[in-house]
Formats: sequence, structure tokens, C-alpha cells
Amino acid sequence: QQQVKQSPQSLIVQKGGISIINCAYENTAFDYFPWYQQFPGKGPALLIAIRPDVSEKKEGRFTISFNKSAKQFSLHIMDSQPGDSATYFCAASQDPTGTASKLTFGTGTRLQVTL
Amino acid sequence: DTGVSQDPRHKITKRGQNVTFRCDPISEHNRLYWYRQTLGQGPEFLTYFQNEAQLEKSRLLSDRFSAERPKGSFSTLEIQRTEQGDSAMYLCASSPTWGTGELFFGEGSRLTVL
Repeated sequence: QQQVKQSPQSLIVQKGGISIINCAYENTAFDYFPWYQQFPGKGPALLIAIRPDVSEKKEGRFTISFNKSAKQFSLHIMDSQPGDSATYFCAASQDPTGTASKLTFGTGTRLQVTL
Repeated sequence: DTGVSQDPRHKITKRGQNVTFRCDPISEHNRLYWYRQTLGQGPEFLTYFQNEAQLEKSRLLSDRFSAERPKGSFSTLEIQRTEQGDSAMYLCASSPTWGTGELFFGEGSRLTVL
């Protein structure tokens, strides 16, 4: 069973702080690692994604750090805002055609950003 | 701008009844996926289509589950003889065949089996 393990299960961060969520995977064939954000009553939406040929990717306040040798990757949310309060899922997939299709998701982290 | 739409959004049924969910993907997307999400868990892959062809099915998809995409546009997911364990959010997603890898999810169909 291919797995992606995510921690912590929940996280409370003060406004302006840094939120850090970690994931670890087992299947070395995975070559695409996205993070999805899900608000209550909504479907997940892509936040940011990385391929294993780079160790870090930054988009605005969101950064993915990737450690291929450790088979770990993490999401950092800088200057966390109350609007960031949501559930975050890491995921991974392999696709020989070069485009991701079947994603294996982590169990999710519920982030609450307090004032 | 139309995203992925799913219908119904909520379905309450009694154990043993059949239910059907419909998904309309983004129009230019060839790939369509079904995922299942239970409370406190991440989405789990069920099946996906490339146009009208069902290319992969998860072992999670028991014989009571069937999915179709007859004309390569909308898709239906039918669950026969529902069980309480089928209670979950059923998410549909779509993507272009050659894209960035991003899946575009609908808001889901929540099933409650009494």
C-alpha cells in the first residue's frame, strides 16, 4: 500500500506566525508532490506543487521544501493569516506520461490561525 | 467560468438502497476522477477515465460500485445496496491530459446511509 504520512493532525498558529506541515512518503517512484487546501464544504484546491528535481519552491507566502534522500517534504506558510485557516493535504503521485493523475493523499492537517 | 459540478450535493438514503451521483467536469478536460473522502481523512482514489475509457479502478471500488462516462463528458457513480460504511463525501475531479498535474475538484456529493 502506497502511503503518504502527514503531521501534525492539527495546528494552531498566531496571526503572523509560520505554519509548518510535514509529510513523508515511501514510494521512491513518486515524482510529483502537491499540496491541496480545503475549506469546509468545498473540494480540495491546489495550493502549490513540486517535482523532485528541485529542493524548494516558493509561491508568495507558501514554500515547499523537498528532501529526496529522506523522502520527506514540507509546507511552510509564512505570515499566516486567519484566511489560511483550512485543512491542508499533502499528496504524491507517479505518472509515466509525465502528468499526475492518481494522487495518494495524506490524512490532512487542520490549521487554525488565531488573531 | 464553470468548474467541476456535482449533483446532488447531499444524499440521505436507507441501507440497501441504490444511489447515483453525477459529475460534470470542466468541458475541455479529458480526464475525470472519482475520489472518496471520509471524515478526518484525505481523499482516496476510486477510479479515473480518459475520455470514455475507464483506465484504472481502485481495490476500494467493490462490485457494488460502478462508474461510467458514456460520451466522454459527464460521469456517473452508482452505489448499489448501500451500506453504512459507504457514508462519505464523493469527490469528482478533472484535468487535461497534458497539463501541470493539477486536479480540479468539485465540491463533492455527501452520502449519508442510515
